Amino acid sequence: GESVGLHLPTLSVQEGDNSIINCAYSNSASDYFIWYKQESGKGPQFIIDIRSNMDKRQGQRVTVLLNKTVKHLSLQIAATQPGDSAVYFCALKGTTDSWGKLQFGAGTQVVVTP
Amino acid sequence: KAGVTQTPRYLIKTRGQQVTLSCSPISGHRSVSWYQQTPGQGLQFLFEYFSETQRNKGNFPGRFSGRQFSNSRSEMNVSTLELGDSALYLCASSFGTGGNSPLHFGNGTRLTVT
Repeated sequence: GESVGLHLPTLSVQEGDNSIINCAYSNSASDYFIWYKQESGKGPQFIIDIRSNMDKRQGQRVTVLLNKTVKHLSLQIAATQPGDSAVYFCALKGTTDSWGKLQFGAGTQVVVTP
Repeated sequence: KAGVTQTPRYLIKTRGQQVTLSCSPISGHRSVSWYQQTPGQGLQFLFEYFSETQRNKGNFPGRFSGRQFSNSRSEMNVSTLELGDSALYLCASSFGTGGNSPLHFGNGTRLTVT
């Protein structure tokens, strides 16, 4: 069946370093990918998204890379700050699914150390 | 612009009871989706409503239902509550059509079933 997985459950990063969070997916019929950040007691917060016709997209301090050949998605956070400590989820939308239906990965806990 | 608003934030119910959760989407958003988040299963799609019509439904029993009103506000209902229904219920809204239409989540309703 469909699966969206994350390579590491916990990522410890030193403040100021770059973070890379990885996500593997199995459904090649996915046309939209999105990263969320969830802090304790809050709902997931949109970070950045990318369509399947793109390989890379940049935002403020964040970059998403999509490799459709190996079905891999990554989120890079530049100059990680203490406020980046949270759980990060990747999610995807199937080609035949509507915009409101996303499949989420298990999440990666990012811990930023001083 | 106000974000997605969910009420109440916390609920405690007894097995066998029913519960109704409410969601007000971001102004202008016509699509509302509901997700269940648990430590064991992660984020799972419940259903999506667009212009008062259910556009998609996840793999949940019929005890879970929802509706959307003409002002795009949505409610979900869970009848005959079971202990396993204890979870964070998240509502998300989006434009639902057109180009990239990322979901924006509320902070959820924490339901505890005793």
